[in-house]
Amino acid sequence: SAVISQKPSRDICQRGTSLTIQCQVDSQVTMMFWYRQQPGQSLTLIATANQGSEATYESGFVIDKFPISRPNLTFSTLTVSNMSPEDSSIYLCSGIVTEAFFGQGTRLTVV
Amino acid sequence: SQQGEEDPQALSIQEGENATMNCSYKTSINNLQWYRQNSGRGLVHLILIRSNEREKHSGRLRVTLDTSKKSSSLLITASRAADTASYFCATDEGGGFGNEKLTFGTGTRLTIIP
Repeated sequence: SAVISQKPSRDICQRGTSLTIQCQVDSQVTMMFWYRQQPGQSLTLIATANQGSEATYESGFVIDKFPISRPNLTFSTLTVSNMSPEDSSIYLCSGIVTEAFFGQGTRLTVV
Repeated sequence: SQQGEEDPQALSIQEGENATMNCSYKTSINNLQWYRQNSGRGLVHLILIRSNEREKHSGRLRVTLDTSKKSSSLLITASRAADTASYFCATDEGGGFGNEKLTFGTGTRLTIIP
């Protein structure tokens, strides 16, 4: 199965700053997905990232807050912009080959 | 929201016992998948069952699917301490191979007591 390297694994950030999370896949995948998992909660899809086109955002998530890049079929980034403590969560990227596989997650704490 | 519901929310059992978790969902699906998550880290895919399947086995895992009731169950037999984790069901949004986005259930926190 494919492997996603996600970094950073964790970070503590000041409110008002931005953090960019990177995911590198060891094989080409058509679509990548970005999820947020708030403390003790399930995963919520933020957006679907396609190569060469703008990401598709789910209800409640906007590009200005969560800009996404997908420059090729093996790489994607998610930026959490102008962070507030409410953005403290685990962020996970995912790709699909025969089934979905996930990065190890980025545990973000905003202080 | 199409998020599925899982029950129980938390389950504690003795090592060696069987653990059963249930998942209900709201829409028609192409397949349902179960994932394990250890300590808030990345998810590990456990098993996928297609909408035309009723039961599937993988090692100590047994999954059932009842599309008429829009429900699934995950059974872990002969539990081990290493099975302690959160378990999530996830249903796809359809659309064909390679572009399925998943809707996750609320999860069950399983604790195996040595």
